[in-house]
Amino acid sequence: IVMTQSPATLSVSPGERATLSCRASQGVSSNLAWYQQKPGQAPRLLIYGASTRATGIPARFGGSGSGTEFTLTISSLQSEDFAVYYCQQYNDWPRTFGQGTKVEIK
Amino acid sequence: QVQLVESGGGLVKPGGSLRLSCAASGFTFSDYYMSWIRQAPGKGLEWVSYISASGSTISYADSVKGRFTISRDNAKNSLYLQMNSLKAEDTAVYYCARALWYMDVWGKGTTVTVSS
Repeated sequence: IVMTQSPATLSVSPGERATLSCRASQGVSSNLAWYQQKPGQAPRLLIYGASTRATGIPARFGGSGSGTEFTLTISSLQSEDFAVYYCQQYNDWPRTFGQGTKVEIK
Repeated sequence: QVQLVESGGGLVKPGGSLRLSCAASGFTFSDYYMSWIRQAPGKGLEWVSYISASGSTISYADSVKGRFTISRDNAKNSLYLQMNSLKAEDTAVYYCARALWYMDVWGKGTTVTVSS
């Protein structure tokens, strides 16, 4: 299953809303996760089951969608949110990731 | 606290071998599936392999099948990745992660560089 994320880069001002998209080449039900990765760090799980926040993840992070279309929304960007975000499907093997969306400061 | 620590990375020549290790702590290692994921320099994430809690079920990405072997020692709370016949395209940071579906705990990674 090919995961396609858009846009590749998103320029956003602090305090603004960010909307990231992820599309699957075939339906993955709600078996989708989102990760955040900062430079030099390992990825961190944000969302699983398409919309469930992982432990300790702030409420400003929200996930939605099912089937082939998914969205990660960051309601009000904080300085620590500028990073690369990846989606990953776990409906089928092999597990596959999107190519990432970089959220940068505008 | 829950922690995964990888080791064993380094510089190796094409065709060479390397064995990565991942030490787990803070959770009951023998209850969890585990995975290896890699990230080539400046690139995205690629799932490499997983192993079931007991070690009885194993799967590999096509890109490493026949060259890499995943294993675990539940008595030592450790995960391994034996990498043989290494190629330049295997150059990456290798992460171990607690995972069957999504990866909820990640190590900091160990760097493997394949170059002559």
